[in-house]
Formats: sequence, structure tokens, C-alpha cells
Amino acid sequence: GAVVSQHPSWVICKSGTSVKIECRSLDFQATTMFWYRQFPKQSLMLMATSNEGSKATYEQGVEKDKFLINHASLTLSTLTVTSAHPEDSSFYICSARPPGSGGEKLFFGSGTQLSVL
Amino acid sequence: AQSVTQPDIHITVSEGASLELRCNYSYGATPYLFWYVQSPGQGLQLLLKYFSGDTLVQGIKGFEAEFKRSQSSFNLRKPSVHWSDAAEYFCAVGGPSNTGKLNFGQGTTLQVKP
Repeated sequence: GAVVSQHPSWVICKSGTSVKIECRSLDFQATTMFWYRQFPKQSLMLMATSNEGSKATYEQGVEKDKFLINHASLTLSTLTVTSAHPEDSSFYICSARPPGSGGEKLFFGSGTQLSVL
Repeated sequence: AQSVTQPDIHITVSEGASLELRCNYSYGATPYLFWYVQSPGQGLQLLLKYFSGDTLVQGIKGFEAEFKRSQSSFNLRKPSVHWSDAAEYFCAVGGPSNTGKLNFGQGTTLQVKP
């Protein structure tokens, strides 16, 4: 079946540094990817929709300059948390779908646990 | 805007017992509905989905869910729970264009007693 690879699965960084998270579709092209964040014991909150070759669409309240999204190829989207602070510590999950499909063919990465010291 | 509510934050059942996890949605049209399972520190695995047609849908791992429009519900059921079913369960609703953009419920933690 289709696989979405997310890397790294776990990262610790110092406050003020930037962290890049990769979301890669391994066996299909993903023109659209989604980025979610999940706080402990809470639900997934959509951060942004990443579209290949165009700017990401951010949800209300998400700082686009803080969470930089780049979707430069049909198989890779990256989320960069810039100048990370402890409150950015969270579990980040991406999802991807092949072109022409919707939620019925949505695949999730295994997530990235970010801890900012 | 669509929204999803999972009334039960935590549920404990004995192994072999039946299970029902509740999900209520708020949406103007017929929604696209999903149930996902998440193991600790892992991504999400799709259990089942409802788009249209038969309101009782079968999923993986012996799960099923019933769409009830009159109650705005999409409850997840399993006749006999196994210890490996212990996990976090999320109900989600998709938007009108079925783009893959989902709104998730708060999640229900399932604990299974031996």
C-alpha cells in the first residue's frame, strides 16, 4: 500500500534554533499534503495545506513566518519550525493524497515528536 | 463549519467485551466521515470511512460504524475487543469538496483490561 515517510521521528533542539521536518510520499505523487500538530492527549489540529509548486494555505491562527512550508516536488513537503521555542514542542504529523483523490486515499506519516529545550 | 465531538475521553473495557465509541458531527450536508486509530507515538491508520450508500460500513480489524443522519452520529463498534485494540481513536469529518482536509474529534483513549 501507499506509504508516507516522515523524518525525523524525534528531534530535540535548543530554543531559538530551526528544525526541518520532511514528509515524503514513497510510491505516489502527492500534489497536496497536510500538516497537523497534536499536543499531548489532544486532537490533531490542521496547520496548513501544502500544494506542490505554490504557496501553502495556512489555517487561522497559524503563523506562516513561524512554520515555513515548502512543497518543491511531487513527493516531498517540508515543515520548518523557525526560531523554535518550548511552546512549539508538539507532535507534528503530515498526510498526503494522490492527485484526483480525496479523503478516501489519504495517507498519514508516522509523525515527528519535537522537543524544544 | 463542520465539527466533530467525541463525548468519551477515556473508555475501559474488558478483553472480549463489545465496544462502542461515540462520534457526533455538525455539518450542513452529507459529510465524509472517518475513523482512525493511533498507537502511542505513531501516525494514524484508517479504520473505515463513510461517503455514501450503505450506512453500516465495515472496516479493518473487525470494526464497523453506522452513519445515522437523524442523530448526526457515526459510532464505531466492535463485537469483541482484543488487548491489541488499546489505542487512541479519532473520528474525523471531511469538507464538501473531499480535498483530504479533515477536522478531527478530541479522541477517545481505549484501555483494555485482561
